[in-house]
Amino acid sequence: GQSLEQPSEVTAVEGAIVQINCTYQTSGFYGLSWYQQHDGGAPTFLSYNALDGLEETGRFSSFLSRSDSYGYLLLQELQMKDSASYFCAVDRGSTLGRLYFGRGTQLTVWP
Amino acid sequence: EAGVAQSPRYKIIEKRQSVAFWCNPISGHATLYWYQQILGQGPKLLIQFQNNGVVDDSQLPKDRFSAERLKGVDSTLKIQPAKLEDSAVYLCASSGTRGEAMAQYFGPGTRLLVL
Repeated sequence: GQSLEQPSEVTAVEGAIVQINCTYQTSGFYGLSWYQQHDGGAPTFLSYNALDGLEETGRFSSFLSRSDSYGYLLLQELQMKDSASYFCAVDRGSTLGRLYFGRGTQLTVWP
Repeated sequence: EAGVAQSPRYKIIEKRQSVAFWCNPISGHATLYWYQQILGQGPKLLIQFQNNGVVDDSQLPKDRFSAERLKGVDSTLKIQPAKLEDSAVYLCASSGTRGEAMAQYFGPGTRLLVL
């Protein structure tokens, strides 16, 4: 079977830094993805980590440690528009893109 | 570049009725996915197509759900008969060639309410 654990809620103020952790246990692993979803909207791709280490894209960074089955999404210089749900998703490999999503972390950014 | 298109955006039906959803992926994307997202949960993969062939339908309730992708482009997902627990958002996504396959692009979804 598979499981993904991430916090259900996180709150922060504008300008702050937030880290959303994700631990996983899956029968196959190819990489870890992060998606953002605003209320009523579609998930939007943020990042993909196949190798250990930190990937930086603007204000967002994503980290993966395959040996620890752990990753995180780091959001810097938070803005109100960053209030959304953030999902980590494991790419289970064998068939590329076969994603298993976590339950999501609701991030609320306060002014 | 046009995004993933889905229709209808909303649908309300009674249990035991049938319903169909349509998806048009991003032009040139070979891989198409259907997900079910129940309120408060992450998307759950129902079926994955590579061109017009099924590569993964292990989580599709085949007694009531069916999907096809004719000519490797548009796709339809059907539920027959619908149950109350099928109330969810049905998301279609597509991805490109292997190097770009890491990013899946989602459509706006169809919100289904089964009464």
